[in-house]
Amino acid sequence: EAGVAQSPRYKIIEKRQSVAFWCNPISGHATLYWYQQILGQGPKLLIQFQNNGVVDDSQLPKDRFSAERLKGVDSTLKIQPAKLEDSAVYLCASSLNGIADTQYFGPGTRLTVL
Amino acid sequence: GIQVEQSPPDLILQEGANSTLRCNFSDSVNNLQWFHQNPWGQLINLFYIPSGTKQNGRLSATTVATERYSLLYISSSQTTDSGVYFCAAHSGSARQLTFGSGTQLTVLP
Repeated sequence: EAGVAQSPRYKIIEKRQSVAFWCNPISGHATLYWYQQILGQGPKLLIQFQNNGVVDDSQLPKDRFSAERLKGVDSTLKIQPAKLEDSAVYLCASSLNGIADTQYFGPGTRLTVL
Repeated sequence: GIQVEQSPPDLILQEGANSTLRCNFSDSVNNLQWFHQNPWGQLINLFYIPSGTKQNGRLSATTVATERYSLLYISSSQTTDSGVYFCAAHSGSARQLTFGSGTQLTVLP
């Protein structure tokens, strides 16, 4: 069974530029999560989708971050415009059906904002 | 929301030694997971263990839900066990999985 796929693995941009990340969850997983992990800290949830609907986006900085999961499968996370403090690893995870199920993580995208 | 605390924050072992990592949580849980984050940043799911005991090779975990703690045991540690170990928990009243601050494990050859 293929795991969670993410791309790109690394991205370097200058502040005020835009960037997009892509995630393809494990096949059949209804729930998809985007996390932000700053160096030295645990992952922080940005947004959770159930199929193509948003379950929780309370910690998503909506003035600059957006995410979509149009067909209930893969998802994109966008930052526009980026700030220096957005430098972090962005992790995508999926679970079969809801937050009480095991979450499986992708390899992450390491973003550096200069 | 639920609070998740891990101890110790850092642990240095000699190869072959055993270790116990602890995770305390402040509420009853319906999801508790242990993860290993390797030096490349990949979070690998070790155990899904809201209660009971599980074993996988040299690793085992026990969650005592009534006393609100979980333990991860690593036996005969190897250098490849190095990395950060995270505990994450979800309680019924919360809308997300809450991660602890992690235990940084270094296994020396």
